Amino acid sequence: ETGVTQTPRHLVMGMTNKKSLKCEQHLGHNAMYWYKQSAKKPLELMFVYNFKEQTENNSVPSRFSPECPNSSHLFLHLHTLQPEDSALYLCASSQDQRYEQYFGPGTRLTVT
Amino acid sequence: GENVEQHPSTLSVQEGDSAVIKCTYSDSASNYFPWYKQELGKRPQLIIDIRSNVGEKKDQRIAVTLNKTAKHFSLHITETQPEDSAVYFCAASNPNQGGKLIFGQGTELSVKP
Repeated sequence: ETGVTQTPRHLVMGMTNKKSLKCEQHLGHNAMYWYKQSAKKPLELMFVYNFKEQTENNSVPSRFSPECPNSSHLFLHLHTLQPEDSALYLCASSQDQRYEQYFGPGTRLTVT
Repeated sequence: GENVEQHPSTLSVQEGDSAVIKCTYSDSASNYFPWYKQELGKRPQLIIDIRSNVGEKKDQRIAVTLNKTAKHFSLHITETQPEDSAVYFCAASNPNQGGKLIFGQGTELSVKP
């Protein structure tokens, strides 16, 4: 349960704020992912990093900016978000992109 | 690109009955099919997965079947228990597209005691 951690667990921000979500994995994995989970919708892949290099940007608006300083840490920088960006943001990691993904507990984001 | 359809969106069964959730995928090159369980307020967790070189895999009360020709795979839960109540997600992965997972829409399973 502690293999992938995310902070904060809950975040409320205004549309003009700038905030960052943090993910850390302690599993020695090389791939990390950001997903968005909205109510009644499937998990939406946002970004993929493999060995610190971004390999996927799934047409995500530029108000979401990922950063992967090393294989253990992944950030999602948020600025000028919209109310429809309110969702659960999940981080995941895997040994590489062909293997099982382990999810973090998520950050519940509310944009007011 | 890959598209995964999952049915039903909600499923209610009596304790002890079986539950079946079905997924279809569009990309015949996909070769890895995991199933995740997400309990209310918790993270998705892998419960079983299957690769395209086998047709069926079983782990105690859960099993997954894969029909590559028809491009569909199913999750079977037997002797359901209230603690099986959760949202279940299927996914498909194509190694030619970096192995990223494409998820189905999810099935909310409710097991009534």
